[in-house]
Amino acid sequence: DAGVIQSPRHEVTEMGQEVTLRCKPISGHDYLFWYRQTMMRGLELLIYFNNNVPIDDSGMPEDRFSAKMPNASFSTLKIQPSEPRDSAVYFCASSWGQGHRGNQPQHFGDGTRLSIL
Amino acid sequence: AQSVTQLDSQVPVFEEAPVELRCNYSSSVSVYLFWYVQYPNQGLQLLLKYLSGSTLVKGINGFEAEFNKSQTSFHLRKPSVHISDTAEYFCAVSDLDYGGSQGNLIFGKGTKLSVKP
Repeated sequence: DAGVIQSPRHEVTEMGQEVTLRCKPISGHDYLFWYRQTMMRGLELLIYFNNNVPIDDSGMPEDRFSAKMPNASFSTLKIQPSEPRDSAVYFCASSWGQGHRGNQPQHFGDGTRLSIL
Repeated sequence: AQSVTQLDSQVPVFEEAPVELRCNYSSSVSVYLFWYVQYPNQGLQLLLKYLSGSTLVKGINGFEAEFNKSQTSFHLRKPSVHISDTAEYFCAVSDLDYGGSQGNLIFGKGTKLSVKP
């Protein structure tokens, strides 16, 4: 079975440019999560969706960040304008939560390594 | 809300030695616990999980963890490590009390296991 698919795997762009990260969750999963990982701050939850609806975006650092989930098989995380401090590895994860009261693990993609010059 | 503490940020150990990675969580009525492993340049992979039943849980790659409710701990152990176990390990708890959400996990800050020959 296909796991969580993220694209691109690597992104290098200049400060001020718009960056769009993409995620395809595992088919049938109803939760989708976006994380950011840095050496300084570790793994941070940015936002998560349930049935395509954003549930908690309190981890989104500022208005430059936005996330959408137009359908059950696709989500994007956008940064506009990008800044050097946004450089990090961004992970997408999905899980099957409905009716399971949190006992299902999250499945992670391989991440997008983002470098803002 | 739940919180997870991984007491050791780095654990160096020699090959074939035993290892214990510590994890404590804040108290809750009921809780689900997970350990994930992250190899370099990869996403997080589920190592094992505790949902209910036996407090000793066996996972992949010879790892096991013991749930201790009175000490609110879920320490990860392996009796004999290999070079290939070098990775970062994350403890996570399902936050059942967080705003009614049933899909969110709270992650610890991670422990880097370094196995030396």
